Amino acid sequence: DGGITQSPKYLFRKEGQNVTLSCEQNLNHDAMYWYRQDPGQGLRLIYYSQIVNDFQKGDIAEGYSVSREKKESFPLTVTSAQKNPTAFYLCASSKGGAGTEAFFGQGTRLTVV
Amino acid sequence: KNQVEQSPQSLIILEGKNCTLQCNYTVSPFSNLRWYKQDTGRGPVSLTIMTFSENTKSNGRYTATLDADTKQSSLHITASQLSDSASYICVVVGGSGTYKYIFGTGTRLKVLA
Repeated sequence: DGGITQSPKYLFRKEGQNVTLSCEQNLNHDAMYWYRQDPGQGLRLIYYSQIVNDFQKGDIAEGYSVSREKKESFPLTVTSAQKNPTAFYLCASSKGGAGTEAFFGQGTRLTVV
Repeated sequence: KNQVEQSPQSLIILEGKNCTLQCNYTVSPFSNLRWYKQDTGRGPVSLTIMTFSENTKSNGRYTATLDADTKQSSLHITASQLSDSASYICVVVGGSGTYKYIFGTGTRLKVLA
């Protein structure tokens, strides 16, 4: 069953802790993305990767880190430096290029307690 | 500044009725425009993708239009169903190699029985 899987669906974190969100895809897509969604705002790009072992900062990368050691996986770490981490995080993948369709995971809702 | 604006912010209609959602954008250069449907707490799912040369595209009861001259798009939903209740997000993809996705804030549609 092909697709893009995010885990966990819900995540609670204490202030000052780092936490890692998982994103895996078996679509053989080259490009992967992380977005953050807040109420009343459009999705904002955190990081993206167009190929293994390479990634670029998006519009709101501060306080986040990523890795792309495997084509299928693009984990996002929310560090303690992120001032307002409570949000809905979405991972997406695409074959690459402007005309290709982006497929989204089901999201992870992170809450800082 | 590259922006995507959607209207209305929210909409309530009765089951069986039609509705039209609007999207205006200022993104330049332009590659393509997409409409996504996002159920609450889930990832967005693609409905349509239109390039500069396309002015209409249908996907079942969903019909998207694009006027690249006025930089406007609309999503028309015919014979609405309860399952159409969701947020509808307009996304414009920039051109010239950037392929950056610019997301609108979405229209939240509620269909009542």
